[in-house]
Amino acid sequence: DVKVTQSSRYLVKRTGEKVFLECVQDMDHENMFWYRQDPGLGLRLIYFSYDVKMKEKGDIPEGYSVSREKKERFSLILESASTNQTSMYLCASRPPGSGEQYFGPGTRLTVT
Amino acid sequence: EDKVVQSPLSLVVHEGDTVTLNCSYEVTNFRSLLWYKQEKKAPTFLFMLTSSGIEKKSGRLSSILDKKELFSILNITATQTGDSAIYLCAVGSGNTGKLIFGQGTTLQVKP
Repeated sequence: DVKVTQSSRYLVKRTGEKVFLECVQDMDHENMFWYRQDPGLGLRLIYFSYDVKMKEKGDIPEGYSVSREKKERFSLILESASTNQTSMYLCASRPPGSGEQYFGPGTRLTVT
Repeated sequence: EDKVVQSPLSLVVHEGDTVTLNCSYEVTNFRSLLWYKQEKKAPTFLFMLTSSGIEKKSGRLSSILDKKELFSILNITATQTGDSAIYLCAVGSGNTGKLIFGQGTTLQVKP
């Protein structure tokens, strides 16, 4: 079974803090993705990576950066958290040649 | 601009009812259309459709794709309270594996 884990289920941070969200997958997938999910807006792609040290911007990258130093780990960084980044963050990975993505349980981030 | 639109956005039915969820899309370089179910945790995969007119079925759930009219439907027959969830439609575009998601349909099944 594919397993995608995220470091925290719930996180509360203050405005201006630097926030790290970690995602780890155990199936040697090359492609990994970070989404945020907001009511009425569905999932929106922030960044994705198709290999170690490779990254591409998604649809809403502003205010975020990512790091992929090892194949199994994809980190999302909020350089200076703001209240409009309060959201559910979902990580996913995809095996090569497959359309399907496997999701982690999500991190619900609240920025106060 | 690529977009995926789901309807209705929310739906309340009673156990035993049949529901149809809709997903229309305008996406360049279409590869596949996927349906996911999301309860209070990670979205779980239901179906992936790549060819028009071929129904995919799993128990009480079924789905079909129309690539000419650019839409898909997800049917759930004899609904149960355990079907209550958000149903997500996503379209795969290009070679990168990117998925473009719709807003989701929130289904509530009452006993």
